[in-house]
Amino acid sequence: EVQLVESGGDLVQPGGSLRLSCAASGFTFSNYYMDWVRQAPGKGLEWVGRIRKRANSYTTEYAASVKGRFTISRDDSKNSLYLQMNSLKTEDTAVYYCTRVSDSGKFHFDSWGPGTLVTVSS
Amino acid sequence: DIQMTQSPSTLSASVGDRVTITCRASQSISSSLAWYQQKPGKAPKVLILESGVPSRFSGSGSGTEFTLTISSLQPDDFATYYCQQYETYPVTFGGGTKVEIK
Repeated sequence: EVQLVESGGDLVQPGGSLRLSCAASGFTFSNYYMDWVRQAPGKGLEWVGRIRKRANSYTTEYAASVKGRFTISRDDSKNSLYLQMNSLKTEDTAVYYCTRVSDSGKFHFDSWGPGTLVTVSS
Repeated sequence: DIQMTQSPSTLSASVGDRVTITCRASQSISSSLAWYQQKPGKAPKVLILESGVPSRFSGSGSGTEFTLTISSLQPDDFATYYCQQYETYPVTFGGGTKVEIK
C-alpha cells in the first residue's frame, strides 16, 4: 500500500524558515516525480512545486508564489521528500500535502499524504 | 498561467440525483485534466483516472471544457470537487465545487 506521511509543520514567525519532510513507503520512491501541494485554511488547492526523478536529473519546477524562497529536494536512499521554506510569509499558512505524480503518462496526483499544517504568524 | 474555472461553486442536491460539474480552462489543455474529491479534514483523492473509483463517476471533455458527472449521488459523495490541469506549468486547480445535501 502506498503511504506518504508529512512531518515538520509548526508555528513560525514571518521571515522564518521551516523544513517539511515526507516519508514514502509501499512503492519504489526513486521511480516517481514528487510534488508538494498546499491548501490555505478554508481555501482551494495550490500547487507548490515538483521534483523529478534521477533519470531526469532531479530537476525542479516551482509556483511563482514560492520561487526563490522554497526548495524541494529528495533523498532516494531514505525514501524521503523535503520542502525547505525560507522567508516565510503569512500567506504561506496552509496545510502542505506531499503527493506522488502518476507514472501512467497522465501527470495527475495518484497518492496524497494526510498533510502537515504550517502556520506563519507573529 | 492557465486559469481553471469551475461551476457552480456550490451545488445542493439529493441522494439519487444526477450531478454535473463543469470546469473550463483559459486555453486548451488537450485532455490533460484530473478530478479530485476532498472531504473535510482529509486529503484529496483522484477520481476517474485511477482504478477503484465507483462507476457512477464519469468525466468528459477536451480542449477547454470538461465535465464531471455523478450519475446517482450517494451519501458518501457529499464533498468538494476540484479539477486540475497538468498540460503546462504551473499546474493549476479550479476553485472547487462543494456538493451539499439539499
